[in-house]
Amino acid sequence: DAGITQSPRHKVTETGTPVTLRCHQTENHRYMYWYRQDPGHGLRLIHYSYGVKDTDKGEVSDGYSVSRSKTEDFLLTLESATSSQTSVYFCAISDPGNQETQYFGPGTRLLVL
Amino acid sequence: AQSVTQLDSHVSVSEGTPVLLRCNYSSSYSPSLFWYVQHPNKGLQLLLKYTSAATLVKGINGFEAEFKKSETSFHLTKPSAHMSDAAEYFCVVRARYSSASKIIFGSGTRLSIRP
Repeated sequence: DAGITQSPRHKVTETGTPVTLRCHQTENHRYMYWYRQDPGHGLRLIHYSYGVKDTDKGEVSDGYSVSRSKTEDFLLTLESATSSQTSVYFCAISDPGNQETQYFGPGTRLLVL
Repeated sequence: AQSVTQLDSHVSVSEGTPVLLRCNYSSSYSPSLFWYVQHPNKGLQLLLKYTSAATLVKGINGFEAEFKKSETSFHLTKPSAHMSDAAEYFCVVRARYSSASKIIFGSGTRLSIRP
């Protein structure tokens, strides 16, 4: 398995509170991604990064921000969590030389009450 | 623009019988196509990918898929199902050489295996 960890693995929070999810990789891959998975929707891209401090929006970026201050870490922040952000969040990485193949982390299950 | 449709949300087969998971796609450009598998409470794992070489692609665990441009399909098959194949399967399309934001996932097919 690719060296990707996500923390926390599970989180319960209340509406209106800030939440930060962390993705950490040991593969030195340049590209990192955050997806959310919801029943009937497959995975939808929230944000991605193509290098340190280089990020871009995905399909469902509203309400989310990201930061990447070093190659190995990609943070996803919900500034003010809403119940619609209850989901399973997956981080993925890929390498520029093989950009099309993504490797996924184990996921973070977030419940917003 | 790209899109992907997984034609069945749930497929159930008996152990030892063939598996067919159907995927149709559309893409404005030459596509790259992938199948990923997700076991319960796990992340996604790449099964196989098509990126313009042979149209019949072999993957892990005995799975294979055939790219049919005329039918815009990329169906996943396995000759004989095993209990460990029970999982969710995702078909993914990406226009080749496009940005990372152009990766589109299907809604998934849950595969159940009957003893």
